[in-house]
Amino acid sequence: SQTIHQWPATLVQPVGSPLSLECTVEGTSNPNLYWYRQAAGRGLQLLFYSVGIGQISSEVPQNLSASRPQDRQFILSSKKLLLSDSGFYLCAWTPATPYEQYFGPGTRLTVT
Amino acid sequence: AQSVSQHNHHVILSEAASLELGCNYSYGGTVNLFWYVQYPGQHLQLLLKYFSGDPLVKGIKGFEAEFIKSKFSFNLRKPSVQWSDTAEYFCAVINFGNEKLTFGTGTRLTIIP
Repeated sequence: SQTIHQWPATLVQPVGSPLSLECTVEGTSNPNLYWYRQAAGRGLQLLFYSVGIGQISSEVPQNLSASRPQDRQFILSSKKLLLSDSGFYLCAWTPATPYEQYFGPGTRLTVT
Repeated sequence: AQSVSQHNHHVILSEAASLELGCNYSYGGTVNLFWYVQYPGQHLQLLLKYFSGDPLVKGIKGFEAEFIKSKFSFNLRKPSVQWSDTAEYFCAVINFGNEKLTFGTGTRLTIIP
């Protein structure tokens, strides 16, 4: 069966520090991968998605970037965090569109 | 661009009450529709989905939803809620030919025992 992992689960970082959040999927190949940010009362905001290695689509211009160095690995990064980057970050995968997506446990990021 | 509206931001019900949560989307065409649920401290998980066929779909835990194409709606229902249904519920839509799932802002459901 397929599983999706995210780490770390929680992270507290100072303003201006770098960020790296990792997402990996097991039990499938060539998934579509997604990064979302979830804010209270605002639902899920799609940040990036990827349909293959090295292929990244950005939905929201901001302080973050994403990379997909391997088929089942999706990384969310920042060179310098801002206070506004605080939030709950979710990774998701789907075997193909337009089917349902499966979500990871999320990372709670607090920028201080 | 597609948008999804969930007009009920916070719903409070007593156990055994009936539930209906509204979901409307803006852009037509061929769509797949989903309801996701996030229980306190748990992953976001799929509650039910509509791809085609019977517009009344049944999901886990006694939930059902009805797709009304003419109204661009996909409302979630449950005839008798339980305390364990306390969670946040998200409606989501994807258009064919698109890789992106569009979510509503969510409805927080609180069930009072």
